[in-house]
Amino acid sequence: DIQMTQSPYSLYASVGDRVTITCRASQNIGKWLAWYQQKPGRAPILLIYGAANLQSGAPSRFSGSGFGTEFSLTISRLQPEDSASYYCQQAHTFPITFGQGTRLAIK
Amino acid sequence: EVQLVESGGGLVQPGGSLRLSCAASGFIVSSNDMSWVRQAPGKGLEWVAGVIKDEVTYYLDSVRGRFTISRHHSGNEVFLQMNSLRVEDTALYYCVRHRSSEGGLDSWGQGILVSVSS
Repeated sequence: DIQMTQSPYSLYASVGDRVTITCRASQNIGKWLAWYQQKPGRAPILLIYGAANLQSGAPSRFSGSGFGTEFSLTISRLQPEDSASYYCQQAHTFPITFGQGTRLAIK
Repeated sequence: EVQLVESGGGLVQPGGSLRLSCAASGFIVSSNDMSWVRQAPGKGLEWVAGVIKDEVTYYLDSVRGRFTISRHHSGNEVFLQMNSLRVEDTALYYCVRHRSSEGGLDSWGQGILVSVSS
């Protein structure tokens, strides 16, 4: 199975900050990487697919990059509503696997 | 509008069975890959089972042989039959739709709770 490792585990930042979360795959997954946002008590929401494509409806301050085994999610100007958990997921091979998640809190 | 609505969860004793249903609207379930993803209380996301074209199915190792995913095309539903349930299967189970291309799970149900306890 492909292991997905996210860092950091938790993150504190201020409104307006630029924030980056990284995700590493245990083997080459090309561009088959997605990012999700999940708020407490809610289902996850797809933000990024194909490593760098913004899902329809996701705010443009979210962006993704990377290829192969190293990926990142960047929030360009942090907003209060971005307080949430973020997960990466590889879509290259079954079983689909997720990173362990990153908790982002606003100072 | 795409919508996924799960039902069939509840409290069951270890070794028992449950059948989860996912009613889809706004699209045809046979036109997309479909999966179930679960989240144990306070934990992260864990993919459980998926069905793709030609009804080929895939499973998480820990549920293979106990869970069965299927879809009913005429009823536009997806199912997860769960047998020999274990305490560690306790979680919120989400029905999810795969994007048609480039990966990603683009639609999620609200989730249904499965509790396995004696």
